[in-house]
Amino acid sequence: DVKVTQSSRYLVKRTGEKVFLECVQDMDHENMFWYRQDPGLGLRLIYFSYDVKMKEKGDIPEGYSVSREKKERFSLILESASTNQTSMYLCASSLRTGGANYGYTFGSGTRLTVV
Amino acid sequence: AQTVTQSQPEMSVQEAETVTLSCTYDTSESDYYLFWYKQPPSRQMILVIRQEAYKQQNATENRFSVNFQKAAKSFSLKISDSQLGDAAMYFCAYRRRSNNDMRFGAGTRLTVKP
Repeated sequence: DVKVTQSSRYLVKRTGEKVFLECVQDMDHENMFWYRQDPGLGLRLIYFSYDVKMKEKGDIPEGYSVSREKKERFSLILESASTNQTSMYLCASSLRTGGANYGYTFGSGTRLTVV
Repeated sequence: AQTVTQSQPEMSVQEAETVTLSCTYDTSESDYYLFWYKQPPSRQMILVIRQEAYKQQNATENRFSVNFQKAAKSFSLKISDSQLGDAAMYFCAYRRRSNNDMRFGAGTRLTVKP
């Protein structure tokens, strides 16, 4: 059974802390994505990556960075957590496109609370 | 930038009845893909159905079907014979053919009444 695994289901951090959200996929997918999900706003794209060591900004990258040192792992980093980053974070992966209508495989999310 | 709009924050349906969830999108592209995802309380996003813009025929997956109106940029999801297990958040999503990144709507929370 293919999987996207997010390291924590729930996380509570203090304002100003550096936070790492980890995502690992076992499907040999090239593409990986980080979204945040907020009520009334849906899923908004933070960063994505098409290959190892590369990254692209999504629609709301401010306050976040990412790291992809290995194909299977994509980390989201909050350099200095703030209360407005309290949210649900979803990781997803997909095969390289080539025009194919691939959907995503999602992790089950990390609910982050910053106090 | 492409935008996806779901105008119904909440919908409810009686078990065994039919419900339609609305989605519109804005794009200048002619070749793209559209998706409906389901997110139950477990939070696991599940792909329900997908549609390729160049195909005129509406996609169908068992009790789930879409009404794709390309000129109107509309992509609604019809759920027939609704079941209690259909209760979830439903997200409409768009992706350009040449791109990998997907854009989502705000979601519709579907309640199924027994």
